[in-house]
Amino acid sequence: DVVLTQSPATLSVTPGERISLSCRASESVDTYLHWYQQRPNESPRLLIKYASQSIPGIPSRFSGSGSGTDFTLSINGLELEDLSIYYCQQGNSLPRTFGAGTKLELK
Amino acid sequence: QVQLQQSGTELVKPASSVKISCKASGYTFTSYYMHWMRQQPGNGLEWIGWVYPGNGNTKYNHKFDGKATLTADKSSSTAYMQLSSLTSEDSAVYFCARGGNYFDYWGQGVMVTVSS
Repeated sequence: DVVLTQSPATLSVTPGERISLSCRASESVDTYLHWYQQRPNESPRLLIKYASQSIPGIPSRFSGSGSGTDFTLSINGLELEDLSIYYCQQGNSLPRTFGAGTKLELK
Repeated sequence: QVQLQQSGTELVKPASSVKISCKASGYTFTSYYMHWMRQQPGNGLEWIGWVYPGNGNTKYNHKFDGKATLTADKSSSTAYMQLSSLTSEDSAVYFCARGGNYFDYWGQGVMVTVSS
């Protein structure tokens, strides 16, 4: 199974700043890497597909990059509503796997 | 608009089974895979498997072989997951989600609590 390692586990943030979250795969997943946001007591929401492709309705401050084994989710101009847990997920092989998540908390 | 409406909270006894549902609307049910995920308290997401409603084919995460059974009813556009031989380890929120490579629409989740 492909293991996805996300870092950091927790990040203390300030509104307005630019942040980057990392997701590293145990083997190449090409660009079959997707990002989700999960707010407390809500279902996950798709943010970015295929490493860097935007999703309609998702604010433009969210962007993704990477290929192979190293991926980054960036938030440019963090807002309070972005305080959530962010997961990466690979779709290159079965079983589908998720990273353990990065939690954004207020500094 | 696409919606996935899951059934309600379940409180079940150890060693029993439970069947939860996911009713789809707003798209052609038979044209998309339906996936199921587990989220244990305070933990991340685990992929359980998928069912393809067009032909009933299924694929499971080996970790859930023998634990989960996925089915779909085309007539009601509803996907089902049955969990058997329940233990406290199965206490979790279970999500259905539409997709293939990624999951673009999710149900609201069903909390299953296993307790005597």
